[in-house]
Amino acid sequence: AAGVIQSPRHLIKEKRETATLKCYPIPRHDTVYWYQQGPGQDPQFLISFYEKMQSDKGSIPDRFSAQQFSDYHSELNMSSLELGDSALYFCASSLGALNEKLFFGSGTQLSVL
Amino acid sequence: GESVGLHLPTLSVQEGDNSIINCAYSNSASDYFIWYKQESGKGPQFIIDIRSNMDKRQGQRVTVLLNKTVKHLSLQIAATQPGDSAVYFCAENKATSGTYKYIFGTGTRLKVLA
Repeated sequence: AAGVIQSPRHLIKEKRETATLKCYPIPRHDTVYWYQQGPGQDPQFLISFYEKMQSDKGSIPDRFSAQQFSDYHSELNMSSLELGDSALYFCASSLGALNEKLFFGSGTQLSVL
Repeated sequence: GESVGLHLPTLSVQEGDNSIINCAYSNSASDYFIWYKQESGKGPQFIIDIRSNMDKRQGQRVTVLLNKTVKHLSLQIAATQPGDSAVYFCAENKATSGTYKYIFGTGTRLKVLA
């Protein structure tokens, strides 16, 4: 069965650079979520989209933005990168209606040097 | 407020024993809960879910118990195997119109001893 696809798998950036993370949800899933996970920490909710509209926002810095496109894939754009942005970034998708199972991708490991 | 994990508690169990992993959730209005298993460097993997109109749900070798009175979830794993070694998280959601947001609790590291 198709899963959530994230790219790239690993990304190395310098401070103050920008990064773009991509997420392709499970086919027919219309809701996408982004999470950030530091080492030894629980995943922290960043932002979610339903039917291409922002649904909810968590602890996402103003330097980050995201959108969901017409094909339901999503991109997380990160600017003015800081050392503290180094983390695993996960995307998850679900089938629209509230309280449905979230399925996660394998994540993007971002390292800011 | 939202749950934030700072240090991961660890549960060590002998292979073949039963494991019980606990989770305290933060929002009394949450009405849907999911347990996830996460192996090192991988994304969280769905194990089992439960809605707030239930207090128990069983899967294959796993059982989730929900106590809404004290805002507590537990995951029971029967006959724990080496492959069960991972970090386990609970996640909660509240069915508010227009809100799509799952909050994770503090994870528990499960170590299975041979």
